[in-house]
Amino acid sequence: GAGVSQSPSNKVTEKGKDVELRCDPISGHTALYWYRQSLGQGLEFLIYFQGNSAPDKSGLPSDRFSAERTGGSVSTLTIQRTQQEDSAVYLCASSPGGPSYEQYFGPGTRLTVT
Amino acid sequence: DQQVKQNSPSLSVQEGRISILNCDYTNSMFDYFLWYKKYPAEGPTFLISISSIKDKNEDGRFTVFLNKSAKHLSLHIVPSQPGDSAVYFCAASYMQYGNKLVFGAGTILRVKS
Repeated sequence: GAGVSQSPSNKVTEKGKDVELRCDPISGHTALYWYRQSLGQGLEFLIYFQGNSAPDKSGLPSDRFSAERTGGSVSTLTIQRTQQEDSAVYLCASSPGGPSYEQYFGPGTRLTVT
Repeated sequence: DQQVKQNSPSLSVQEGRISILNCDYTNSMFDYFLWYKKYPAEGPTFLISISSIKDKNEDGRFTVFLNKSAKHLSLHIVPSQPGDSAVYFCAASYMQYGNKLVFGAGTILRVKS
């Protein structure tokens, strides 16, 4: 079956512009996660959606970052007024939910802020 | 504060030999540990995991060892193959953390043929 997909694969934007990154999780997966990987770093948790519960936003680095998940499926991560330090690979993952820790990752969106 | 540390940025191993990737953690709440493998331009893929109630889990050529007293885990790949060349991430979580994963910075493994 189809895995997690993300779009765009690459995004170059000017400092101060807003960007939207999209994630299509695996069908039926109730949990969805956003992470980012800066150069030479591990993956950093950003936000987590589980079913209809309020999202866990504890990893969002600033109020310029927001995310939503419509209809329990597709998710959009929005970064407003982008800064150069926002440059990273943004990775989305989904999982069946419940007690499973195993997450299935998409290929990521490489964001470059110039 | 890095809760999960992979202190070796890279490792080079001859094909057929054993690869040992190490990971240390500081948070004693962690009760589940995973290894992910990542190729360039792809997302990480799940490799193997271990619960804190075990000290070893084996899956084919891959074995993960957990030493809770030392807060240390390792991934053994035997025998190593050129296709194993990738970045390996150690990750950890615990139930009260909501299944979020805390990742190490990764170790680049190169298997030479």
